[in-house]
Amino acid sequence: QPVLTQPPSASASLGASVTLTCTLSSGYNNYKVDWYQQRPGKGPRFVMRVGTGGIVGSKGDGIPDRFSVLGSGLNRYLTIKNIQEEDESDFHCGTDHGGGSNFVKVFGGGTKLTVL
Amino acid sequence: QVQLQESGPGLVKPSETLSLTCTVSGYSISSGYYWGWIRQPPGKGLEWIGSIYHSGNTYYNPSLRSRVTLSVDTSKNQFSLKLSSVTAADTAVYYCASQVGTTVLNWFDPWGQGTLVTVSS
Repeated sequence: QPVLTQPPSASASLGASVTLTCTLSSGYNNYKVDWYQQRPGKGPRFVMRVGTGGIVGSKGDGIPDRFSVLGSGLNRYLTIKNIQEEDESDFHCGTDHGGGSNFVKVFGGGTKLTVL
Repeated sequence: QVQLQESGPGLVKPSETLSLTCTVSGYSISSGYYWGWIRQPPGKGLEWIGSIYHSGNTYYNPSLRSRVTLSVDTSKNQFSLKLSSVTAADTAVYYCASQVGTTVLNWFDPWGQGTLVTVSS
């Protein structure tokens, strides 16, 4: 099954941009990835799904236009422009694999985004 | 707007069964959708436990399948999780979530606020 790798931390200054990366393990180039945002002490919320062609479907409710995604090779990117204090969160990526009794949803370890 | 709320004991003894319920408001479970459980050990990432369709069709994480049972109670608009033979490794915040649509391949949206379950004697 695929392994999703995320850097444990990232930081960006207020008003700047940052790109978070979720890397699929080798051989899973065509897999789509879901991004989730988890603010401190809260449950996660869906951001958007990304494949190699970009966004799949629609953004989650309330996700601002400052959030965008891109997919290339084994990497799935989430870019946040004009970072605000409210963007300080843990960001998780997840994907699906297999079918029937072998079906599984897997998540990366998460990236903690700090707003400076 | 769909809203979910987890409930259940916050403390479970080792070797016993963890039982949680998710109450759904703003949508009738019997109308469709998959409903999922995800957990997050303290300071760690997310782990999918399983998902259940309103009809009762289930998908379980293979690593937990032998200990997990999901069920749906459409009369109460709730779905439930039972995890048997728990150990300290099962200590986590447990979330329930909705998967809009008729396939387990859909993303989780929205999520409940989560409930911390500690396994300790």
